[in-house]
Amino acid sequence: SQQGEEDPQALSIQEGENATMNCSYKTSINNLQWYRQNSGRGLVHLILIRSNEREKHSGRLRVTLDTSKKSSSLLITASRAADTASYFCATGSLTGANSKLTFGKGITLSVRP
Amino acid sequence: NAGVTQTPKFQVLKTGQSMTLQCAQDMNHNSMYWYRQDPGMGLRLIYYSASEGTTDKGEVPNGYNVSRLNKREFSLRLESAAPSQTSVYFCASIASWQSGYTFGSGTRLTVV
Repeated sequence: SQQGEEDPQALSIQEGENATMNCSYKTSINNLQWYRQNSGRGLVHLILIRSNEREKHSGRLRVTLDTSKKSSSLLITASRAADTASYFCATGSLTGANSKLTFGKGITLSVRP
Repeated sequence: NAGVTQTPKFQVLKTGQSMTLQCAQDMNHNSMYWYRQDPGMGLRLIYYSASEGTTDKGEVPNGYNVSRLNKREFSLRLESAAPSQTSVYFCASIASWQSGYTFGSGTRLTVV
């Protein structure tokens, strides 16, 4: 079963605009991660935020985590056509020595030149 | 190039045939994972291996078996392929539970 649910399912913006994607989840987590997938390719890790962190930055990416609301958001600033891809939220859980990542269904981002 | 290597990239099987998907990583990672990706479903965990010598079922293990051959290699076997197993299969590995996953480029499998 999917842990994370992304919103919206699809997003279309103009180059230079900011893109905001949201993720909600249901159970407690150790960390939350965002991945990008270009068409026909594997997933690429973008950023990880631990459950005790509230905000993290990496280049043009900003991710927030609100554990009380069980939600996260990914902001891509000054978007480029090359940002066109699918974006996945994934929640990390740790049971003993076993770490597992559960993915949402993804958001399709289109950036128009 | 360092990373996760999956073979083959494409495969067509007839119903009932068997095959093994290969995965190897050269980053000395402890944990390895097999996911399948279907349209509109995101990625679902099939099996994983927290460390060499251990394997555990994920969300959708039925119809699959795995082998953690050594620290580098983690294979996924379909004993009797079914059309429902048509999917894109991804292998991934991590160094520790607080690190991001490194994914292979995937195997696109079609069962007819």
